[in-house]
Amino acid sequence: QVQLVQSGAELKKPGASVEVSCKASGYSFTDFYIHWVRQAPGQGLQWMAWIKPNNGATNYAQSFQGRVTVTRDPSISTAYMEISRLTSDDTAVYYCARGQLPTLDPNWGQGTLVTVSS
Amino acid sequence: QSALTQPASVSGSPGQSITVSCTGTSSDVGGYNYVSWFQHHPGKAPKLIIYDVIYRPSGVSSRFSGSKSGNTASLTISGLQAEDEADYYCTSYTSSARVVFGGGTKLTVL
Repeated sequence: QVQLVQSGAELKKPGASVEVSCKASGYSFTDFYIHWVRQAPGQGLQWMAWIKPNNGATNYAQSFQGRVTVTRDPSISTAYMEISRLTSDDTAVYYCARGQLPTLDPNWGQGTLVTVSS
Repeated sequence: QSALTQPASVSGSPGQSITVSCTGTSSDVGGYNYVSWFQHHPGKAPKLIIYDVIYRPSGVSSRFSGSKSGNTASLTISGLQAEDEADYYCTSYTSSARVVFGGGTKLTVL
């Protein structure tokens, strides 16, 4: 069955960077996009970016451009999302989700809590 | 890209029907038939309940239905059940090849 398994919770200091991984299994990794979505405490879901695993093409929400980088390693069916220059506002649960370009499909990772605190 | 506009909350009694609206622009909701709806219970991954405006994924109850008129999409839940109490989010594809979420609607089953 399709599975997306994310890396574990992270505690980071302001100004640092964090990388969250998302390992896919149960399907051909290069046939579907990977989207990244986050939810800050008390806030709604926010789309961040997508990556096309077969060629590495990316697109970012304007609010994350320049500070978020999504990459992938097709050889191990894994996508990565890195955020630099962390602030407390980046404290959130980060999800990866499979999909095509227009839409996200039912397959999501379990979420990764990133806490930014001094 | 601004978030799509949803009501902050809706409520209904068991057995009743409720509708959640999702308003965007001609660059997102109005321009494409790529509106999805997600149900989100705290602490769990969001669950896709409607895609491409009107379609339900396999296993999703027929009590959930979607529609669209102009720049506004709607999610209707009929025969409300206690388990439907959750947050609901719409999403749309946009003209910049991105995805945008609505602000979310908290459904309370009275």
